Amino acid sequence: GALVYQYPRRTICKSGTSMRMECQAVGFQATSVAWYRQSPQKTFELIALSTVNSAIKYEQNFTQEKFPISHPNLSFSSMTVLNAYLEDRGLYLCGARDRGYTEVFFGKGTRLTVV
Amino acid sequence: AQKVTQTQTSISVMEKTTVTMDCVYETQDSSYFLFWYKQTASGEIVFLIRQDSYKKENATVGHYSLNFQKPKSSIGLIITATQIEDSAVYFCAMRELPNYNVLYFGSGTKLTVEP
Repeated sequence: GALVYQYPRRTICKSGTSMRMECQAVGFQATSVAWYRQSPQKTFELIALSTVNSAIKYEQNFTQEKFPISHPNLSFSSMTVLNAYLEDRGLYLCGARDRGYTEVFFGKGTRLTVV
Repeated sequence: AQKVTQTQTSISVMEKTTVTMDCVYETQDSSYFLFWYKQTASGEIVFLIRQDSYKKENATVGHYSLNFQKPKSSIGLIITATQIEDSAVYFCAMRELPNYNVLYFGSGTKLTVEP
């Protein structure tokens, strides 16, 4: 079956530091990977969409300078939260899809706490 | 503007009853896909059911079914014979054909099933 693994599951970082989270697709080709953030009491905000062989597209309010993303192959993507502050805390979800298929498979998320 | 709206913040029902959760969406596209996911207490996002806009029949999977009212841009989720373990936050989501890789989520409805 198709699975998406995200790690770490939970992480705590000091304010002003950076942390990297990873997303691994198993059983299918992650042609496109979308990164979302679910802040406390909020719904899912799309951060950026990464499609292999295309430029990464960031949503308004999110920038490459703050959330650099790497999508080097069809099974892996990573995103770094640079210079994290309190407002960056939340659950970061990776949703991956294979070209030609409708379903998006989600990982279990990386929960970021900033102290 | 919010593309997907869930007005019910929380619902509480007794076990073995039927519950309906509302969702309305906004799109200019003639082809789109509608999804319902549930988020467990651990944060995991689980895909439940999908409705393709061009299909007139309401989708059904297990004890989940959809009430798709296209003229009203409405896609309600119906859970029959609810169980305690159905307690979770339910999210409605939409994907439009031109922006095929992006899911727009509603704000979620928290369902509590009581014994």
